Amino acid sequence: GAGVSQSPSNKVTEKGKDVELRCDPISGHTALYWYRQSLGQGLEFLIYFQGNSAPDKSGLPSDRFSAERTGESVSTLTIQRTQQEDSAVYLCASSLTVLTYEQYFGPGTRLTVT
Amino acid sequence: DQQVKQNSPSLSVQEGRISILNCDYTNSMFDYFLWYKKYPAEGPTFLISISSIKDKNEDGRFTVFLNKSAKHLSLHIVPSQPGDSAVYFCASRAGNQFYFGTGTSLTVIP
Repeated sequence: GAGVSQSPSNKVTEKGKDVELRCDPISGHTALYWYRQSLGQGLEFLIYFQGNSAPDKSGLPSDRFSAERTGESVSTLTIQRTQQEDSAVYLCASSLTVLTYEQYFGPGTRLTVT
Repeated sequence: DQQVKQNSPSLSVQEGRISILNCDYTNSMFDYFLWYKKYPAEGPTFLISISSIKDKNEDGRFTVFLNKSAKHLSLHIVPSQPGDSAVYFCASRAGNQFYFGTGTSLTVIP
């Protein structure tokens, strides 16, 4: 009964470099969400995937951010040309379907851009 | 624009007493409200929820109250225990998106 896992747990990168964050949702969960939490802020919605439907990308802050999901499994969030304001904890969550209100969160990836 | 607000960043309560965490929202389209609990270095975990058609939901020591006219949500924990010390986030759903508050750090003093 594995929960949601994320890797890496911590990532330090230099400004301008690209980073890739990974999320493994709970098996059988068709909905997957990415959030970020900046210091002193609430969780900010970035993107969600539901099965094979087109993802809702309305929360992505800029075109430097993109995400992919392979079927109903692993998802990767890519940030290109990282900026210092991208420093945050990036959280992934999955739920049985997008209609299910209870989400299961991973431990997050703490990204620091120097 | 913060649609869900938790105006108290922190709260300290004596063990055995009641903890009351508050949350205000602005969007009348929210249909579900949730509370999550977060320990350091872990992701948030679901605690309790309430549908917009109800005004109270109870689960053991945890009760969530919804006042739609005031657009206000609260979580009551009674009796509070030291293990309840964590950051509590309220969240609201509109369509397929969830909006989270900034969290309230609860400390239960033994």
